Amino acid sequence: DAKTTQPTSMDCAEGRAANLPCNHSTISGNEYVYWYRQIHSQGPQYIIHGLKNNETNEMASLIITEDRKSSTLILPHATLRDTAVYYCIVIGRGGSEKLVFGKGTKLTVNP
Amino acid sequence: NAGVTQTPKFRILKIGQSMTLQCTQDMNHNYMYWYRQDPGMGLKLIYYSVGAGITDKGEVPNGYNVSRSTTEDFPLRLELAAPSQTSVYFCASSYMGPVYEQYFGPGTRLTVT
Repeated sequence: DAKTTQPTSMDCAEGRAANLPCNHSTISGNEYVYWYRQIHSQGPQYIIHGLKNNETNEMASLIITEDRKSSTLILPHATLRDTAVYYCIVIGRGGSEKLVFGKGTKLTVNP
Repeated sequence: NAGVTQTPKFRILKIGQSMTLQCTQDMNHNYMYWYRQDPGMGLKLIYYSVGAGITDKGEVPNGYNVSRSTTEDFPLRLELAAPSQTSVYFCASSYMGPVYEQYFGPGTRLTVT
């Protein structure tokens, strides 16, 4: 079973920031938070990951709460091409860990 | 680099037929994976490999077989196709384990009728 809870769907206006929440209240100390997205009919695409600190790359920012029980993926200036299903995944660095994809959040960016 | 390539893109099988889905990566990644995705659902892991000659089952391995004779190739074999295997199949690779960024192929859309 997925270790995360995400809203089923969200909407965002083009050019505005999209904030996608993820709850992972049972996360343990050595588990990372990963975000992938899947644009319609394509293979998933890695976005960003973090452990404790906030992270930023060219695609997005990841804000992790101090207690690590939730996080938010931020797309700072959403475009129509950001319309996709976004998956929040928790995984540790043990050898037997596997990515578990839940149903994710369907983000629709509107013009 | 081409990344992860999959063939074919589409295939229709009759019940009971067999086929092999091909997957190749040119990034010299050690780990490779096969997932399936049913309509409206997340991905489920079928099989994975940590290196040439080593494979292991994922969440939904029944009805499938894999082999890994080279670092680059990780074919998925369907024996005796069933309608329940109608799905989109994605191959992925990563440098080391799943905590490393996984690169996905474009998928194979399979219909069994």
